[in-house]
Amino acid sequence: QSVLTQPPSVSGAPGQRVTISCTGSSSNIGAGFDVHWYRQLPETAPQLLIYANTNRPSGVPDRFSGSKSGTSASLAITGLQAEDEADYYCQSYDSSLRGSVFGGGTMLTVL
Amino acid sequence: EVQLVQSGAEVKKPGESLKISCKASGYRFTGSWIGWVRQMPGRGLEWMGLIWPGDSDTRYSPSFQGQVTISADKSISTASLQWSSLKASDTAMYYCARAEMATTYYFDSWGQGTLVTVSS
Repeated sequence: QSVLTQPPSVSGAPGQRVTISCTGSSSNIGAGFDVHWYRQLPETAPQLLIYANTNRPSGVPDRFSGSKSGTSASLAITGLQAEDEADYYCQSYDSSLRGSVFGGGTMLTVL
Repeated sequence: EVQLVQSGAEVKKPGESLKISCKASGYRFTGSWIGWVRQMPGRGLEWMGLIWPGDSDTRYSPSFQGQVTISADKSISTASLQWSSLKASDTAMYYCARAEMATTYYFDSWGQGTLVTVSS
């Protein structure tokens, strides 16, 4: 099990809004370490979606947004599209493990 | 444009050694960390470690310390990941990625991945 907990799966219809949670603890997210989000389309390398909790790299649509509060973070996707169907991962740093950690990943299904 | 191009897929036997590579272009190689991430079949992402190519300062995940060696050759802008004795459990896709820093590092550009299969 990862120290960052994500729901295994979420789903939504085209056009809807979905959120993916990433729950940590006082040694990672709760300690103030930034959270980053990645999308991995099938059979491809991961792609950075959100860095430092809320920032989008250039080229990432504003349909994607991130937030962080306490020991948790969330990724929100609005205006869901078929091409959003992918695995999504959060990442942070854990001071107890002295290294970067990823969440277990969430599979997004567009109904 | 930042590009990370990884070496091709490998099929090896248990006990064999292996070195895979990641050639960087489009940015100053010695100015950013490079990390390695493992993805076992059907599983999630695992951070393995990082190297600063400027002086080869290396950080390993405790889970991978002593299991692999990360290195970099700044003369050819290439980072490498190597094993001295492979196990079947090393079968996975391995990604290199450029790391930038916030309060923690994040991976803003990724290689295409190198599939390593270890089987007798």
